[in-house]
Amino acid sequence: GENVEQHPSTLSVQEGDSAVIKCTYSDSASNYFPWYKQELGKRPQLIIDIRSNVGEKKDQRIAVTLNKTAKHFSLHITETQPEDSAVYFCAASKWNDMRFGAGTRLTVKP
Amino acid sequence: KAGVTQTPRYLIKTRGQQVTLSCSPISGHRSVSWYQQTPGQGLQFLFEYFSETQRNKGNFPGRFSGRQFSNSRSEMNVSTLELGDSALYLCASSLEQGGVHEQYFGPGTRLTVT
Repeated sequence: GENVEQHPSTLSVQEGDSAVIKCTYSDSASNYFPWYKQELGKRPQLIIDIRSNVGEKKDQRIAVTLNKTAKHFSLHITETQPEDSAVYFCAASKWNDMRFGAGTRLTVKP
Repeated sequence: KAGVTQTPRYLIKTRGQQVTLSCSPISGHRSVSWYQQTPGQGLQFLFEYFSETQRNKGNFPGRFSGRQFSNSRSEMNVSTLELGDSALYLCASSLEQGGVHEQYFGPGTRLTVT
């Protein structure tokens, strides 16, 4: 089955800096790659996603890139703010089979 | 539309007991997936139901089971509870569109086994 690896497990940045989280996947048939943000005590929230026919997608301060050949995708957050502090999960999905990375705890220091 | 709801939100059980958790998906969503979330293991896939049928299953023992009703509401059951079953159980509903499943999570049920 699909195996998703996520790095780093923890990330600390200064407010205003950029943050990058990277994931790799194993199943070349995966075609959908969402990112979720989970704040303490809350449910994971879908923040951005990318499909296999697209290389990059941007939504305000958040962007995701996908390299299908290398089977890796990344989340980029620019101009980080304290409210960006949370655990971020990447996932790779082949139709109804979605597998998650282990998560990255992002801390943005004011 | 109302979001995904789960009941109960918190549960304390004793080893050996069984438990049933409930999930109501977003209106119109027919697929419901269940995940176990623990600090050390992240989000682990349990199973996925669509139109009352289990379509996909993760690597969990047979003590974990589920079902889906005709209104798409789903339940999961854990029998003979073990201490290691303490976790946050999340369900997610999705609408199949364009060959992908955008999943939306419920708030979870926090299960503590003593």
